[in-house]
Amino acid sequence: GAGVSQSPSNKVTEKGKDVELRCDPISGHTALYWYRQRLGQGLEFLIYFQGNSAPDKSGLPSDRFSAERTGESVSTLTIQRTQQEDSAVYLCASSLGGTSYNEQFFGPGTRLTVL
Amino acid sequence: AQSVTQLGSHVSVSEGALVLLRCNYSSSVPPYLFWYVQYPNQGLQLLLKYTSAATLVKGINGFEAEFKKSETSFHLTKPSAHMSDAAEYFCAVTGKAGTALIFGKGTTLSVSS
Repeated sequence: GAGVSQSPSNKVTEKGKDVELRCDPISGHTALYWYRQRLGQGLEFLIYFQGNSAPDKSGLPSDRFSAERTGESVSTLTIQRTQQEDSAVYLCASSLGGTSYNEQFFGPGTRLTVL
Repeated sequence: AQSVTQLGSHVSVSEGALVLLRCNYSSSVPPYLFWYVQYPNQGLQLLLKYTSAATLVKGINGFEAEFKKSETSFHLTKPSAHMSDAAEYFCAVTGKAGTALIFGKGTTLSVSS
């Protein structure tokens, strides 16, 4: 079946512009995660959605970052007034549920470059 | 809180040699540990996971890892490296179901012929 998909695969933007990154999780996966991977660094957790529960936003680095999820489907990560330090690969992952240690399936990522 | 330290950002081995990638964790609760692999220009793929069952965990592609509580380690091994194993490997920990994974900074494995 289809895996996690993300779009766009690459995004180049100018400092100060807003960007939207999209994630389509695997059908039936109730949990969805966003991570950021900066060059030479591990993955940093950004935000977590589980079903209709309030999202865990504890990893968002600033109020310029926000994310939404419609039900148990598509999620959008929005970065407002982008800065050069926002340049990174943004990865989305989904899993079957939040109450067990199910495998997180990762998408290919969106590479964001802020000029 | 949890954290992960991967010793060695870059490991080079010859084809057929033993692969050993080191991971040490810190956790205030019983940990659940994972190894992911990232091939060039691809997403992360789960290699194996430890979830408090057997301490020796076998994964895909001939990899295995042993959970050692006394050493707070979860090192990844493979008896004989193959050229196709060249990739970046990430160790991750979580202490609670349904929470995000905490990742190490990764180890790049190079395999030479």
